[in-house]
Order: sequence, then structure tokens, then C-alpha cells
Amino acid sequence: DAKTTQPNSMESNEEEPVHLPCNHSTISGTDYIHWYRQLPSQGPEYVIHGLTSNVNNRMASLAIAEDRKSSTLILHRATLRDAAVYYCILRDALLSYNTDKLIFGTGTRLQVFP
Amino acid sequence: DVKVTQSSRYLVKRTGEKVFLECVQDMDHENMFWYRQDPGLGLRLIYFSYDVKMKEKGDIPEGYSVSREKKERFSLILESASTNQTSMYLCASSYRVLGANVLTFGAGSRLTVL
Repeated sequence: DAKTTQPNSMESNEEEPVHLPCNHSTISGTDYIHWYRQLPSQGPEYVIHGLTSNVNNRMASLAIAEDRKSSTLILHRATLRDAAVYYCILRDALLSYNTDKLIFGTGTRLQVFP
Repeated sequence: DVKVTQSSRYLVKRTGEKVFLECVQDMDHENMFWYRQDPGLGLRLIYFSYDVKMKEKGDIPEGYSVSREKKERFSLILESASTNQTSMYLCASSYRVLGANVLTFGAGSRLTVL
């Protein structure tokens, strides 16, 4: 699987937008970009994923660069509950339909201040 | 919502003991996974299973075995626990969304081996 690079930590104030970057310069054409987050004392939870086009859901938006070598997870209005470690992961959708092995890095620790 | 339930949140065992970590999912997912999480190392895949009685080694299977006798249940077994197996263990199951497998994690089991 291709590698991703994320900043170790970021800070935000409550109710401000947060842009979490991820670089994946060796991404292949069939790699999906996944984002998960892990709240303190919990298992990771799925946030969003996409292939080429920008994606929106109730939790966040995913903006994918035109060359796909980077992406940005956007939290539109950060809350204290969004303080977590955010993981950006690539996964080749064609590699193995059933035996899917998401490889997690160390992620970005987001702090949100009141 | 999909639920992945891990039987124990906290366990303390002695070196050499046999340890069973149980995981149950309630959404009829075919794929299930066991990860361990350690500070600075992120999540590492131990074993996964894509069907009943089927298992595949992940990246760090040494010292572990698994059992999947029923679709909803995936057990991780430490045959003879050692102190370097002190860790947070996370179980997950996956389902297909928009062309990619998405993981749902349990809350984790923190194991301490003395």
C-alpha cells in the first residue's frame, strides 16, 4: 500500500473550520483515500472515503487534489467532541475485495480549544 | 448501527497464561479483524478472517492464534501470554460502501501481562 504523510498534531478553536492535510504522492489510480478518527479511550471510527471526486457526509468533507497526490479532511465547525487522532489511509480497491487490510499510520492529533 | 462488542475492556494476566479475547458483531459481516495498538506504532494487523473457519495472517501474527467458528464471532488467543503482548487490542468488522470496505471497530480490550 502507498504511504501517507500527516502532521503529528494540529490545533483549532471551537466552532472554527479545520483542514487536516494528508500527502500521498505515490498513490495509484485505484487507491481509495480513507479517513478514520479515534476519540480518547475508543476504537477508531470511520469518517469518510473517496476516490477522485470531493465527498461530503454528515461528519465531514473530503477534498481531493486534482492530481490525487494530496487530500484534505474538512471539519466545517469543530466541536470539543472532534478532539481525536485522525488517520488518513490509502487502500487499493482492486487489490483484494475480501481480504481488506487497512494499514494505519500514527495520524494527526487534533486539539480543540473552547 | 453496526455494533462490534469486545467482551472485556480491561484484563490483567500473568506471564504464561492462556488468554482469550472475544469479539462479536451483529450485522452479518463476512470480514473480521484483530489489531493491536501501541504508542508510537499505530494500529498493527494481527489476523483477519473473511469467512467462517477462514483466517489469514496479518503483519504481526507471532504469538497469536484466532478462531472463527461462527460468522458473528472472532476470537483472538494468546497461547502463552508474555509481557510484550501488553497492549490495546481492537477488533473490527468490515462492510462494503461506495466501492470500498469500511471498518467498524469495537471499543478495545486493554491487556496487561505481568
